[in-house]
Amino acid sequence: GAGVSQSPRYKVAKRGQDVALRCDPISGHVSLFWYQQALGQGPEFLTYFQNEAQLDKSGLPSDRFFAERPEGSVSTLKIQRTQQEDSAVYLCASSPRPLLGTDTQYFGPGTRLTVL
Amino acid sequence: AQTVTQSQPEMSVQEAETVTLSCTYDTSESDYYLFWYKQPPSRQMILVIRQEAYKQQNATENRFSVNFQKAAKSFSLKISDSQLGDAAMYFCAYRSETSGSRLTFGEGTQLTVNP
Repeated sequence: GAGVSQSPRYKVAKRGQDVALRCDPISGHVSLFWYQQALGQGPEFLTYFQNEAQLDKSGLPSDRFFAERPEGSVSTLKIQRTQQEDSAVYLCASSPRPLLGTDTQYFGPGTRLTVL
Repeated sequence: AQTVTQSQPEMSVQEAETVTLSCTYDTSESDYYLFWYKQPPSRQMILVIRQEAYKQQNATENRFSVNFQKAAKSFSLKISDSQLGDAAMYFCAYRSETSGSRLTFGEGTQLTVNP
């Protein structure tokens, strides 16, 4: 079966542009997560969906960041008016159910965003 | 807030030898879960091993094992019989039910395996 896929793999944006990053989770997975990974750092949590409901968006760094999952499958992370500090790898992960115990999250390959 | 610290930015090991990667964490909770993830250059994060805090027995997965010291808040990863394919960035991560579904990651340790 296919894993988590993300597109595009690489995105270059000029400062001030809007970008949209797509995540296709494993089919049927209920939980979906977005993380931001700066160069040389560990991933940092951005937001969490259970089906179409965004249950936790406490990690979004500013109101320029917006995520949606309207039909409970594909998710899009949108960044408005990009700034240089937004340059990072954006990781998406999914899990078959609401997380319990040591349930694993299955990660995608990430989108590397570079803001010039 | 929970924090995870990996004090070794880089480690190296000879092929077939054993290496231990360190991880400490800070939490006030008694029930939580710990993970080691591997991130190769392709960037796809892969789960290596996991441990429930309430279990005293250390988790093992083939050549990978952990040394979980709850009182010391330490969770180290031991890789035995290291292979070239083990070369990657390794991240220690923490999750608890009260912190929701988020994983809190450490800064990572870059492991090099020398032939």
